[in-house]
Amino acid sequence: DAMVIQNPRYQVTQFGKPVTLSCSQTLNHNVMYWYQQKSSQAPKLLFHYYDKDFNNEADTPDNFQSRRPNTSFCFLDIRSPGLGDTAMYLCATKGDSSTNTQYFGPGTRLTVL
Amino acid sequence: DQQVKQNSPSLSVQEGRISILNCDYTNSMFDYFLWYKKYPAEGPTFLISISSIKDKNEDGRFTVFLNKSAKHLSLHIVPSQPGDSAVYFCAASYLTGNQFYFGTGTSLTVIP
Repeated sequence: DAMVIQNPRYQVTQFGKPVTLSCSQTLNHNVMYWYQQKSSQAPKLLFHYYDKDFNNEADTPDNFQSRRPNTSFCFLDIRSPGLGDTAMYLCATKGDSSTNTQYFGPGTRLTVL
Repeated sequence: DQQVKQNSPSLSVQEGRISILNCDYTNSMFDYFLWYKKYPAEGPTFLISISSIKDKNEDGRFTVFLNKSAKHLSLHIVPSQPGDSAVYFCAASYLTGNQFYFGTGTSLTVIP
C-alpha cells in the first residue's frame, strides 16, 4: 500500500543531544512537510519541500533543519534539542492534483529529557 | 495568529445521534477546507473536504457544510458510532497552494 512512514515512532533524547527523525513515502508526491504538534494544539508547520525547493516558516527556530535527498525521503534534524521541543512530529505529503489533500505519517513522539 | 479555530475542545454524543463539529476561519481567501480524524498515537487521516464553490459535500455518514459569508464550516456525522471517537481537525488552504492551516482540534467521544 502506498503510504507515509516515519521512523522511529518514539524517540527519547538528552537535552542538547542532536536527533534525526526520518520520513519516507511511496506516494511519489512532490511536496513533503514537517509539522510539530504539542498537546491540545494545532499542528504547527515547520517547513516544507516542493521537490527540492525548501520553504522555511518564518518562526521555525534555527535549531530545526531538514534534508530531502530524494523524492522519497525527508529528514528532520534537531541540532540541540531543548525541553520545549518535546512534541509529536508529523510528516505529510501532497501531490500535484486537483485534490489538495495532505497524507500524514503516524508521527514520531519525541521526548527531550 | 490562529487563522482557523475550533472553539469546542471536546464533544460527547450518544451512539446513533448526530455529531456536529464546528470550525471558523478568518481569512476569506481560503478556498479549500478539509477535515482530518486522528486516533491516539497515529497521524491525522483525511476524512472529507470541500471547495469554496460548494456549500455541502457528503461522503457516507459524513457531511461537511460551508458557510462562506459566516466563514464557518461544520462536520456532521450521522449516525455517530463508537469508532468515531477521535480528535477531529479542521484545516484550510488555498486550492492551488501548498500550505495548510489547522485548528486545535475537537475531541469527540461517542458513548455506546
